[in-house]
Amino acid sequence: DSGVTQTPKHLITATGQRVTLRCSPRSGDLSVYWYQQSLDQGLQFLIQYYNGEERAKGNILERFSAQQFPDLHSELNLSSLELGDSALYFCASSPREAYRGQETQYFGPGTRLLVL
Amino acid sequence: GENVEQHPSTLSVQEGDSAVIKCTYSDSASNYFPWYKQELGKRPQLIIDIRSNVGEKKDQRIAVTLNKTAKHFSLHITETQPEDSAVYFCAASIRSGGSYIPTFGRGTSLIVHP
Repeated sequence: DSGVTQTPKHLITATGQRVTLRCSPRSGDLSVYWYQQSLDQGLQFLIQYYNGEERAKGNILERFSAQQFPDLHSELNLSSLELGDSALYFCASSPREAYRGQETQYFGPGTRLLVL
Repeated sequence: GENVEQHPSTLSVQEGDSAVIKCTYSDSASNYFPWYKQELGKRPQLIIDIRSNVGEKKDQRIAVTLNKTAKHFSLHITETQPEDSAVYFCAASIRSGGSYIPTFGRGTSLIVHP
């Protein structure tokens, strides 16, 4: 157990809908990262937050957004869902802001999203 | 090309043999290289990492080597066991604008036959 929690574990929804995934980092960690893992794309970095502020952005679609709250938990919002958004979504946390990307990341158990 | 390339995509070995997985990266400024093990349906777990001020790091049966000049790093697993069977990912932080983006290889599916 990494200490990072994610809810829900599974989510089934329909195309066009909107969902929210939640992540609580390890106690004391200030950075949260979101990843999408699909069979054909591997692990894709979406976005990073540090202490409430956006720090780095990867290949995140405009239909997706995220935020980190004062209690440091984070939410990833996925809207206008398409079949291709079906994937495992992981969040990870690290203690500090990554200096040149050097921080060790601890992954949560993931949320499996299925869009029908 | 991809920022982090990983080979092979599949590796099949007999129990007790060694396994080597190789990655290359594009950004000469990258200086942190973690390796993750992911079992089916589970989260990636860090197994070893290396920073650019060292060339090799070892932890029991697992070792990682880094060649910054050639921009490649490798994972070595000795005396493989069936429980080593999993997908292994390498990663490097690649500069993008003013940030460093965690970038993963596409993974190597390691199968250890008893």
